[in-house]
Amino acid sequence: GAVVSQHPSWVICKSGTSVKIECRSLDFQATTMFWYRQFPKQSLMLMATSNEGSKATYEQGVEKDKFLINHASLTLSTLTVTSAHPEDSSFYICSARDFQGAQPQHFGDGTRLSIL
Amino acid sequence: GESVGLHLPTLSVQEGDNSIINCAYSNSASDYFIWYKQESGKGPQFIIDIRSNMDKRQGQRVTVLLNKTVKHLSLQIAATQPGDSAVYFCAEKGHNAGNMLTFGGGTRLMVKP
Repeated sequence: GAVVSQHPSWVICKSGTSVKIECRSLDFQATTMFWYRQFPKQSLMLMATSNEGSKATYEQGVEKDKFLINHASLTLSTLTVTSAHPEDSSFYICSARDFQGAQPQHFGDGTRLSIL
Repeated sequence: GESVGLHLPTLSVQEGDNSIINCAYSNSASDYFIWYKQESGKGPQFIIDIRSNMDKRQGQRVTVLLNKTVKHLSLQIAATQPGDSAVYFCAEKGHNAGNMLTFGGGTRLMVKP
């Protein structure tokens, strides 16, 4: 079945640094990928929709300069959390849209980001 | 904006019993619904889906019921097993939403051996 790989699965870094998270569709092409953030004991909240070859569409309240998204190929989207602070600590999950598949989105296994 | 689901409650069931997890949605234009299972530290895993032209769909040990009149969705798990312990989310897609999903608040299912 369709597989989405997310890397890294876990990262700890100091406040003020930037962190890049990768989302790859391994066996299908994804013109659209989605980035979600999930706080403990809460649901997934859509941050942005990543479109291959064009600018991402951000949800209301999500800072585009804070969360940089690049979708340069049909199998890779990256999310960079710039100048990260402790309040950015969260579980970040990506998903990829599979036009050929029966499901609308295939999810990665998430990245646990901890900012000290 | 419109939203789906409940805040995170916990359902505790005995192994072997049936489980019923509920979800309310508010977007009357939603035409597609999915149940996901999320284990700790992992991404959502697809369980079963249903389109708005149906009111029931069955899978292996799982059944989804859709009541469009009251905008209610439920997931029934038969003969619940310890491996079913996880958080379950419903998600809905609006008719003109492309493949964008809106997630409900989730329910934690705990299975007691």
